[in-house]
Amino acid sequence: QVQLQESGPGLVKPSETLSLTCTVSGDFSTGFYLNWIRQTPRKGLEWIGFVSSSGNAKYNPSLRSRVTMSVDPAKNHVSLTLHSVTTADTALYFCAAAVPRVPKAFAVWGRGTMVIVSS
Amino acid sequence: DIQMTQSPSTLSASVGDRVTITCRASQSVSIWLAWYQQKPGKAPKLLIFDASTLENGVPSRFSGSGSGTEFTFTISTLQPDDAATYYCQQYESWWTFGQGTKVEIK
Repeated sequence: QVQLQESGPGLVKPSETLSLTCTVSGDFSTGFYLNWIRQTPRKGLEWIGFVSSSGNAKYNPSLRSRVTMSVDPAKNHVSLTLHSVTTADTALYFCAAAVPRVPKAFAVWGRGTMVIVSS
Repeated sequence: DIQMTQSPSTLSASVGDRVTITCRASQSVSIWLAWYQQKPGKAPKLLIFDASTLENGVPSRFSGSGSGTEFTFTISTLQPDDAATYYCQQYESWWTFGQGTKVEIK
C-alpha cells in the first residue's frame, strides 16, 4: 500500500516561492498519478495539479502560471513549486495519489502540511 | 470549471438515522464522481468512486447513486463514528470539490 508524506517550510514570505515535497513510500510505478490539493476555510478543497510517475504534469488553469510539479523516481519524491505567493496561498496542502486500481479519484492521501504566507 | 454544489451544508441526525446528502454538478459529469469523508485534523478519505463503487474497506452502510448532474450519498444507519464533513468531487473535467456537508450527531 502506497503511503504519502508532505514536507516543507511552514512559513513563506509574500512574493517568495513555496516549495513542498511529497515522499512516496511503496510502489511508485507506472500508472501512478500524484496530485496536490490545498484546503482553506474560504475556498474549501482546491485541486492544484498532478504529475505522473513519468513526469507528465497538468495544472489547474487558475494556478497554471505560478505552478510547477516534478517527480524524482530515484528518491520517490514529488515536488510542488508555487511562485509569487500571496496571503491567499495560505492553506493546508495535501498530496494525494490516484492509483491504477482507482485511476481518477484520490485513494491515498498524505496527512497534509500547513503553509502560512506572512511577512 | 465544473461547479459542484452540495446540500445541505450541515445536518444533525441521531444514531440509527438514514442520512442523505445531495451533490449537483453545473454540467454533466457522467458517473465521474467521488465522495470523501474528512474528520478534523485529518486528510479526506475516499469512500465512493465512479458514483456508486464502494472503496475497499468502507462499510456497506455508505452508498452513492446518480449520474449526469445529480448525485446522492447515503448513510443507511448513522453511527457515532460517522460525524465528519463529507465532500463530493467530480473528475469529468479536471477535479473540483463541493463545499462540504457537515454531519453532526444529535
